[in-house]
Amino acid sequence: EAGVTQFPSHSVIEKGQTVTLRCDPISGHDNLYWYRRVMGKEIKFLLHFVKESKQDESGMPNNRFLAERTGGTYSTLKVQPAELEDSGVYFCASSQPGEGPTDTQYFGPGTRLTVL
Amino acid sequence: AQSVTQLGSHVSVSEGALVLLRCNYSSSVPPYLFWYVQYPNQGLQLLLKYTSAATLVKGINGFEAEFKKSETSFHLTKPSAHMSDAAEYFCAVSDTPGYSTLTFGKGTMLLVSP
Repeated sequence: EAGVTQFPSHSVIEKGQTVTLRCDPISGHDNLYWYRRVMGKEIKFLLHFVKESKQDESGMPNNRFLAERTGGTYSTLKVQPAELEDSGVYFCASSQPGEGPTDTQYFGPGTRLTVL
Repeated sequence: AQSVTQLGSHVSVSEGALVLLRCNYSSSVPPYLFWYVQYPNQGLQLLLKYTSAATLVKGINGFEAEFKKSETSFHLTKPSAHMSDAAEYFCAVSDTPGYSTLTFGKGTMLLVSP
């Protein structure tokens, strides 16, 4: 079974440009999460989808970030316009409810975003 | 609000030595606790999780962790380190039943020398 995949693995853009990150969850997983790790800091939650609906987007930094999950399958995270402080590694994770009292999230390898 | 503190950004051990990675948490409700590992160029992989069953949790690759409520700790141990254990380890906490929005510690890089 394929794991969580993310594309691209690396992206280098200039300040003010737009970047779109993509996450393909494990097939059949209803829950999809986005996290971000800024260099030297902890991994922080951005948002959570249940199927195509945003369950919790309390971690989104500002309105330059837009996440979508059309059809409840893959998700995209767009940053427009990108700022220097957006640099970091963006992780996607997916899970399926019903595994027990809490789900187990399976993480992708991450997209390393560098904004120059 | 919940938080996680991992003591030591880097821990160095010799091959065959005990591995001890420390994690302390704060949570206003009984927590769910996780340890993840990240090998170079890979995603985070779950080592083990505590969900209020047994306080001593056994995970993959010989790792285990003990939940101590009185100390608000969930330290990760392995009796004998292997070179292949060199990686970054993350402790995380969630207080949400059903699904787990994770709050992570800053991570601890484990270095294993021959």
